[in-house]
Amino acid sequence: AQKITQTQPGMFVQEKEAVTLDCTYDTSDPSYGLFWYKQPSSGEMIFLIYQGSYDQQNATEGRYSLNFQKARKSANLVISASQLGDSAMYFCAMINTGGYNKLIFGAGTRLAVHP
Amino acid sequence: DSGVTQTPKHLITATGQRVTLRCSPRSGDLSVYWYQQSLDQGLQFLIQYYNGEERAKGNILERFSAQQFPDLHSELNLSSLELGDSALYFCASSVAGTNEKLFFGSGTQLSVL
Repeated sequence: AQKITQTQPGMFVQEKEAVTLDCTYDTSDPSYGLFWYKQPSSGEMIFLIYQGSYDQQNATEGRYSLNFQKARKSANLVISASQLGDSAMYFCAMINTGGYNKLIFGAGTRLAVHP
Repeated sequence: DSGVTQTPKHLITATGQRVTLRCSPRSGDLSVYWYQQSLDQGLQFLIQYYNGEERAKGNILERFSAQQFPDLHSELNLSSLELGDSALYFCASSVAGTNEKLFFGSGTQLSVL
C-alpha cells in the first residue's frame, strides 16, 4: 500500500535561515508524483511544489526546493531564507497512480519561524 | 486565491441532522475532489468526480454522498450527523483528474454539537 511518512511533528527555525522538512514515501508503482502543501492557521491548503518520479532534476519554486532521492524514497522540502509568514503546517503528499488523482497525505509538520 | 470556492465557511449543526457542502471548481477544471481533515485521522480522501461522473472513492461513509452537476459544481451531502463528523472538509479541483496538482478551496469547518 502507498504511504507517506513525515517524522517531524514540529520544527523551529530562525528567520532568514534555511530549514528542511522530511518526507519519505512507500510505493511499488514506478510512476508517481510528490507534492508539498502549506496550511497556514487560516486553514486553506496552498500548493507549493511538485516532483514527478521521472523528473531528472529536483523541483524548485522560488524559495522552495524539493530534495528528491528516489533510491531512498525521500522527498524533503527545503525552504531557504525562512520568513515569519512561513509558519504553518506542511504536508507531503503522493499521487495514487492507480489511474486517478487521489492524493495520499502525510501527518504533517508544524513549522514555527522565530524572529 | 486558488480559484476554488467552498460554501459555507463554517457550519454548526446538531447530531442527526443533514447538511450540504458546496464547491465550485476553478474555471476550466473538470475534476472535483472531497477531502476530510480531522485531528485524529488527518487528511482523508473521500471521493472524486470527473465531468459529472464518479471516478474514485476513498474512505467515504455510507451516510455521506456527493455529486457533480452539469455546470461542474459539486455538493457533498452529510446525513445522520455524528459528533465524530466534526472536521474541516476540503474541496479541490484539477484540470483532467490524472497525475496533476490539485488546487484546494479554503474548506468548510463543520461542527456537530
